[in-house]
Amino acid sequence: EPEVTQTPSHQVTQMGQEVILRCVPISNHLYFYWYRQILGQKVEFLVSFYNNEISEKSEIFDDQFSVERPDGSNFTLKIRSTKLEDSAMYFCASSDPQGRGEKLFFGSGTQLSVL
Amino acid sequence: AQSVSQHNHHVILSEAASLELGCNYSYGGTVNLFWYVQYPGQHLQLLLKYFSGDPLVKGIKGFEAEFIKSKFSFNLRKPSVQWSDTAEYFCAVNPYNQGGKLIFGQGTELSVKP
Repeated sequence: EPEVTQTPSHQVTQMGQEVILRCVPISNHLYFYWYRQILGQKVEFLVSFYNNEISEKSEIFDDQFSVERPDGSNFTLKIRSTKLEDSAMYFCASSDPQGRGEKLFFGSGTQLSVL
Repeated sequence: AQSVSQHNHHVILSEAASLELGCNYSYGGTVNLFWYVQYPGQHLQLLLKYFSGDPLVKGIKGFEAEFIKSKFSFNLRKPSVQWSDTAEYFCAVNPYNQGGKLIFGQGTELSVKP
């Protein structure tokens, strides 16, 4: 079965530093997403991306966050100046050309620890 | 605001016991409904889904769920759990006009004792 891959699996950074989380979606998918899960809390939607632009974002996704598809395969989430409260598991997901939730595939996540 | 509630934070069962995990959502329109499972150290995996038709849906590994529209519920069931079902279970809702955006419940941790 095709997989969404995320690197690194664990990222440790100092508060105020920039981090880039990387994802390789499934190759024929056109819709891309980032979700996060703070320890003990719900999985939360951050942003969806289609046709090289953000299609929807949550209120969590403020100016400190940005997404990019720098080439044909990668999909990145950048946090410009990390805060302690950004510590979470970040999940990338992609979906098929219909873009609906039924074919949403998740990566295994990147655990971000901000010290 | 749209939300999903899972009634149980942690459920502990013995093998062969029956399982029912509750899920309720608040959204007035058409929704797609999902249950995801996350085994320790692994990524979220789709367990089952409901879009339309028969409100009783069957998923992988013997799981099933029933959509009761009048109760805004989508409870997950399994008649006989196994130790390998130990995992965290997430209910999620996809409002029909919101692409692939999922709204998740807070998760239920299931521990099955051998």
